Parts: sequence; C-alpha cells; structure tokens
Amino acid sequence: NAGVTQTPKFQVLKTGQSMTLQCAQDMNHEYMSWYRQDPGMGLRLIHYSVGAGITDQGEVPNGYNVSRSTTEDFPLRLLSAAPSQTSVYFCASSSDRGGTGELFFGEGSRLTVL
Amino acid sequence: DAKTTQPNSMESNEEEPVHLPCNHSTISGTDYIHWYRQLPSQGPEYVIHGLTSNVNNRMASLAIAEDRKSSTLILHRATLRDAAVYYCILAYNNNDMRFGAGTRLTVKP
Repeated sequence: NAGVTQTPKFQVLKTGQSMTLQCAQDMNHEYMSWYRQDPGMGLRLIHYSVGAGITDQGEVPNGYNVSRSTTEDFPLRLLSAAPSQTSVYFCASSSDRGGTGELFFGEGSRLTVL
Repeated sequence: DAKTTQPNSMESNEEEPVHLPCNHSTISGTDYIHWYRQLPSQGPEYVIHGLTSNVNNRMASLAIAEDRKSSTLILHRATLRDAAVYYCILAYNNNDMRFGAGTRLTVKP
C-alpha cells in the first residue's frame, strides 16, 4: 500500500532557486494539505485543498504556491527559495473534507536552502 | 482561531496508564478534536478523534469534557514504543487543522 508518497526525500537548494515538492496519494482522497516543521517545533499548515481545482491558504502560505489539477497530486512550489524555508515538509491527505476523518501523512521531504 | 494548550512534556512508567491533557477553551460547536503522535524522524500518525462523546479505539481512548473545553488522551498501558510527541488539534473551520507544539511523552522502563 503506497498511501501518501512524497518526492524528493532530501533536497539542497541555493537561495533564489525554484523547485517543486511532489505529493501523490492513491487513496482517492479529496482533502490534501502541506505542512512544514522547523526543528523542535510543531507542524504549521501551508496550503490545503478540498478537491481538484480548489485550494486555500493555511497559517504560513507566503513563498509557496500550490495547485490541484487531479485528485491524486498536490505539488508544492517554491518560486524563489530563501534560507527561512529550510524545513521538513509533510504532505497529508484525508477522505473527509470536514476535519472529521483521519489524516494520512507522507514520510516528509527535508529541504535545505543555502 | 481555536487553539489548544498542552504541557510541554510528561513522563510515564512502562505498562502504566498515561493521561495526556489538552485545553481548548475557545472551541466552537463544530470543531472536531484530533490527536496525532509523531515518532522521531517520522511523519505524524493518527491516534484518535472525536466531537462530543468519549471515543475508544485499539490505540487509545479520548475523554472529552462535557463543556468540550478540554480533553484527555488516555494510553491504557504505555510501552516504550509510545514515546513520542503527542499533538492535540482542533479542525478549525473543519478544513484547517493546525498543530501546536505538542507534549513530548517519555516512557521509562
């Protein structure tokens, strides 16, 4: 069972570079979201989506773009990476829009911006 | 935004019950209460969730106060594998699930 798959697992960028973190789920979940986790901290919500074509901002959306063209995929784009975006990024999905169901998390993508 | 307050850390002895508290005094009537845990170097893992009534599953029990302003996650017999950071979360606006700093649980053999 694949569940939620994130790629890449590790990435090093230079300031100003762009990249996309990929997230795919094979559970036909409508709800998907991206979090970042800084060292010693809890997770902070970046963006979320309640279905294909629908996205919304979370707590810390600045510097990140998302789109949801299919149910399965929810990529997170960094247009111009900054050292403050060094973090571990987690993608999650759920079958329920209303916060009523279980969130399934990927294994994380560790990003370092030099 | 409805927020949660948890102790920074707690300790437990192996095979004893653990009660992890969470305060959420500004909870709204439709906010679900979720608990997740995170083991070192892993993504968070679902533990349990509920709305008004107490809930039980194979991992834990969730006791929700009658006024819903607080809840308690109960691990019936802690094991060393239960050592993790436990997060209490409200599903704000039913789509926006925000994690706080959580409670770091240490289990002593």
